[in-house]
Amino acid sequence: DAGVIQSPRHEVTEMGQEVTLRCKPISGHNSLFWYRQTMMRGLELLIYFNNNVPIDDSGMPEDRFSAKMPNASFSTLKIQPSEPRDSAVYFCASRRGWEGAGELFFGEGSRLTVL
Amino acid sequence: ELKVEQNPLFLSMQEGKNYTIYCNYSTTSDRLYWYRQDPGKSLESLFVLLSNGAVKQEGRLMASLDTKARLSTLHITAAVHDLSATYFCAVGMDSNYQLIWGAGTKLIIKP
Repeated sequence: DAGVIQSPRHEVTEMGQEVTLRCKPISGHNSLFWYRQTMMRGLELLIYFNNNVPIDDSGMPEDRFSAKMPNASFSTLKIQPSEPRDSAVYFCASRRGWEGAGELFFGEGSRLTVL
Repeated sequence: ELKVEQNPLFLSMQEGKNYTIYCNYSTTSDRLYWYRQDPGKSLESLFVLLSNGAVKQEGRLMASLDTKARLSTLHITAAVHDLSATYFCAVGMDSNYQLIWGAGTKLIIKP
């Protein structure tokens, strides 16, 4: 089975540009998480979806960040306008079920550099 | 508020040696996870521990959970270079989707 698929793997952009990151979760998984990883702050949960509905977006840094999940097989994380401090690796992860013991399965990540 | 502390944060060791990484957490939890991350790569699930006294082993890695002490350990036996990576523990909040992550332990194993 295919794992969690993210694109692009690498993105270099200039400050002020719009960035869109994409994620395809594992088929049958109904929980989806977007994380950001930096050296300074470690792994931060940005937003959590269950059955395509955003349940917790308290980790979204500010209004420049938005996320959608239009269907069970696709999610996007958008940054507009981007800033240098947004440079990080963004991971998407999925899990079967809403709570309980299942572990998260992570994508390969999208490394974002904002100049 | 659930807090998770790993120690050490950095560990350099020789091949063939044994060592243990510790993961302490501050409130009750019903599940604990260990993940591995190679540089520039994704996070890979290693172990899921669901009950007090749970012990799981895979190759040279063994993980255990003591819910009363709020402590999990990841023990490395006769380390080999291929185990060099960053290891994270993550603790699940009871009946909740959230995972609280440790800061990670960067392990370097020298030949």
